[in-house]
This record gives sequence, structure tokens and C-alpha cells, in this order.
Amino acid sequence: DAGVTQSPTHLIKTRGQQVTLRCSPKSGHDTVSWYQQALGQGPQFIFQYYEEEERQRGNFPDRFSGHQFPNYSSELNVNALLLGDSALYLCASSWILGNTEAFFGQGTRLTVV
Amino acid sequence: QKEVEQNSGPLSVPEGAIASLNCTYSDRGSQSFFWYRQYSGKSPELIMSIYSNGDKEDGRFTAQLNKASQYVSLLIRDSQPSDSATYLCAVSAQNTGNQFYFGTGTSLTVIP
Repeated sequence: DAGVTQSPTHLIKTRGQQVTLRCSPKSGHDTVSWYQQALGQGPQFIFQYYEEEERQRGNFPDRFSGHQFPNYSSELNVNALLLGDSALYLCASSWILGNTEAFFGQGTRLTVV
Repeated sequence: QKEVEQNSGPLSVPEGAIASLNCTYSDRGSQSFFWYRQYSGKSPELIMSIYSNGDKEDGRFTAQLNKASQYVSLLIRDSQPSDSATYLCAVSAQNTGNQFYFGTGTSLTVIP
């Protein structure tokens, strides 16, 4: 049973560029949430997708956008990258009707230079 | 603003001892509580979930929840060097779409 998979694992981008991160949820899960974790901090909620729609959104600017596909996989897009966007980006999958437990992928380490 | 507070540590305990990690939360509507373990440079790994007041035991781990005091804790018995990691407390509520609010984590070091 494959767990949550994210790609790529590491990424280096230049300020102003755009980036797309990808996530495949755990088998049987239908909900994907994205989190940003800066060094020394806890993960911060970006948004959540279910049934291909954004259901909840945290306090992140519109430069952060996402998408969920019919197979439940998801993408996180960040436009006009800033140095402060450098962080570990985590995808968490869960089942909307389940007990709300969420499982994280290995994360994507984004460095903006 | 929904807040989750943890003592950042570092917390050091000798091998074989009990490690006690604490977490308080501000939102009384919180319904689900989780402890994640995160090794340096890795992603969080779910180790315990608890939903009702009282204790929940799983192997060497015991989670304790007191909703009246808005307090959740994690006890690790017979601590091992492999338990050395950052422990993240997370809470969620149905009325906020089950998004997780995390604390900043407590760094635990188990000394052989």
C-alpha cells in the first residue's frame, strides 16, 4: 500500500519564478491538504482540496494556488517566488469520512535564491 | 487566532526514563488531537491520535487529553535514543474543515 508521495524532493528556484509541487495521496484517501513548514516552526496550513475543489484556505496570499485531479492527486503552485517562500512543503492526505487522521508525504524542500 | 502552544525545549532525558511532552490549545471547539514525531530533515509521522478525555495507550506511548483545561500531553515510557526527535502537537476542529493547527514542536533528546 503506497503511502503519500510527493515530488520533487528538492528544488532550487530563483526569485520571481514559478514552481509546481505534486502529491499523490495514500490509497483510499480523497482529501489533500498542503502545509508550509519554515525552519524551526510547525507546519502552517495553506489549503485543502476535496472533490477537486478548495474547501479551506489558510492565511496565504493568492500567489499560492492548487488543484486536485479526479484521481485525488494534487498540485501546489506558487507564483512570483520570494526568498521567504523557502521552506519544506508538506502534503497530507486523509479520508473525508474518516477519523480525520492525516498522513504526510516526505515533503518537498524548496529553496528560493 | 487559534493557537497551539508547546514548550520548545530542548528536553533531555536519560535512556529508559519517561519523557513528558505538553501542549495547550486555545480553541475550545477543537475535537481531534494528534502527536507527530519529526526527525531532522524529515516529514512528520503520526504516532498518536486522541479524541476524548482521558488516556490512550499505544505501546510505550500514552496520550492524555483534558478538554476542560485545554491540555494534551504525550508520555514516552522507557525512552530510547531513537525517540530523539521533535514532537509536534496538532489539533483540528470540524467547524474549520479539519485543518490542523500545529505547535512549534518540542525537541527531545534521549541520552544513552
